[in-house]
Amino acid sequence: DTAVSQTPKYLVTQMGNDKSIKCEQNLGHDTMYWYKQDSKKFLKIMFSYNNKELIINETVPNRFSPKSPDKAHLNLHINSLELGDSAVYFCASSHSFYEQYFGPGTRLTVT
Amino acid sequence: DAKTTQPNSMESNEEEPVHLPCNHSTISGTDYIHWYRQLPSQGPEYVIHGLTSNVNNRMASLAIAEDRKSSTLILHRATLRDAAVYYCILNNYGQNFVFGPGTRLSVLP
Repeated sequence: DTAVSQTPKYLVTQMGNDKSIKCEQNLGHDTMYWYKQDSKKFLKIMFSYNNKELIINETVPNRFSPKSPDKAHLNLHINSLELGDSAVYFCASSHSFYEQYFGPGTRLTVT
Repeated sequence: DAKTTQPNSMESNEEEPVHLPCNHSTISGTDYIHWYRQLPSQGPEYVIHGLTSNVNNRMASLAIAEDRKSSTLILHRATLRDAAVYYCILNNYGQNFVFGPGTRLSVLP
C-alpha cells in the first residue's frame, strides 16, 4: 500500500522537451507539495496545494506548472526543459501541518 | 524564516544512543521544531516534532532547551537503518518547510 506514489521514477530527456511527473496519494490528505532536491542535496519547496488550490508558489520559473485534477493528485508539468532542471523531484502530502509524507522521488536528467 | 544550525556529520556505533543537536537561536514563540530524516535514495520521513516540552515517540525523543534556542534529537539505540541525513526544521503553522543541509549520521557496526 504505497501512501504517496510518483511516476516515473527516472526520467531522462533532452533540453527543450516538455515532460510531466505524476503524483498520487491515497492517504486522504488535503494538502500536497512538490519539492526539488538539487545535486547538493538541498531540498526546496516549489508548490503547495490545499484542496486543489495553490497556496504556496515559491520562486520557480513559470516553465513549471502544477496541476491538481483532484485532492489525491498533484502533477508537475515542465516546459522547455533546461540542464539546470536536472534534480530529484519529491511529491508530498499532509493532513496536519507538521507531518508530511513524501513520495520516493523522480530523478530527472536533462541532457 | 528562522534558521537552524546543525553539524554536517556525526558518527555513532550501533546500539549506542545518538544525540543530534540543533541550534535555532532566532526561534519565535510560535515556531514548532520538526525533525525529518532522509535515508539514502528515499524521500524524507517525519521523525518527531515539538513546541516547548520534551516529546517521545516510537522512533525518537526530542529534548527542547528551556529557552527553546536549541534542541536535541535522541535516538536511543542506533541501528544501521538509522544511517540517514537528519533535518531540523522550524515551522510556524501554515508556512512552508525550509530544509537546511542537515546532519549526515553514519552508524558503525
